[in-house]
Amino acid sequence: AAGVIQSPRHLIKEKRETATLKCYPIPRHDTVYWYQQGPGQDPQFLISFYEKMQSDKGSIPDRFSAQQFSDYHSELNMSSLELGDSALYFCASSLGPSYNEQFFGPGTRLTVL
Amino acid sequence: KQEVTQIPAALSVPEGENLVLNCSFTDSAIYNLQWFRQDPGKGLTSLLLIQSSQREQTSGRLNASLDKSSGRSTLYIAASQPGDSATYLCAVKWGRGSTLGRLYFGRGTQLTVWP
Repeated sequence: AAGVIQSPRHLIKEKRETATLKCYPIPRHDTVYWYQQGPGQDPQFLISFYEKMQSDKGSIPDRFSAQQFSDYHSELNMSSLELGDSALYFCASSLGPSYNEQFFGPGTRLTVL
Repeated sequence: KQEVTQIPAALSVPEGENLVLNCSFTDSAIYNLQWFRQDPGKGLTSLLLIQSSQREQTSGRLNASLDKSSGRSTLYIAASQPGDSATYLCAVKWGRGSTLGRLYFGRGTQLTVWP
């Protein structure tokens, strides 16, 4: 069965650079979520989209922005990167934003030097 | 404040033992609860999803129960194997207002099963 695809899987950036993470949800899934997991931490919700509209916003820094496109894939744009942005970034998708199970991608490991 | 707590933080058991992982949450008005497995540096694998109207779910050697009134869920692993070694995360979805859909995670229980 098709799963959530994230690219790139690994990314190394310097401080103050920008990064773009991509997420391709499971076919027919219309809802995408982004989570950030710092070293030794639990995943923290960043932002979500339902039918290409932002549906919820968590602890996402103003330096970050995201959107969902017409084919339902999503991109997380991160600017002015800081050392503290080094983390595992997960994308998850679901069919609808409420009752259904969220399926997670393998994550993008971002390292900021 | 909506919080998810997992105990114990770490657990080390010999192969073959039956074990219970605990998850508690602060607000009983949940939509659903998911248990995940995470291997070191890897992604999250969904193990079981329990809807708010359900009391338990089973998949193979795994059984998850839900008691909304007490704000608790347990993950029961039968006949543990070394391959079960991983971190197990509990995540709750509450549906109040604008926070519909997001998952709130516990810190996880790091399980080690030794031969």
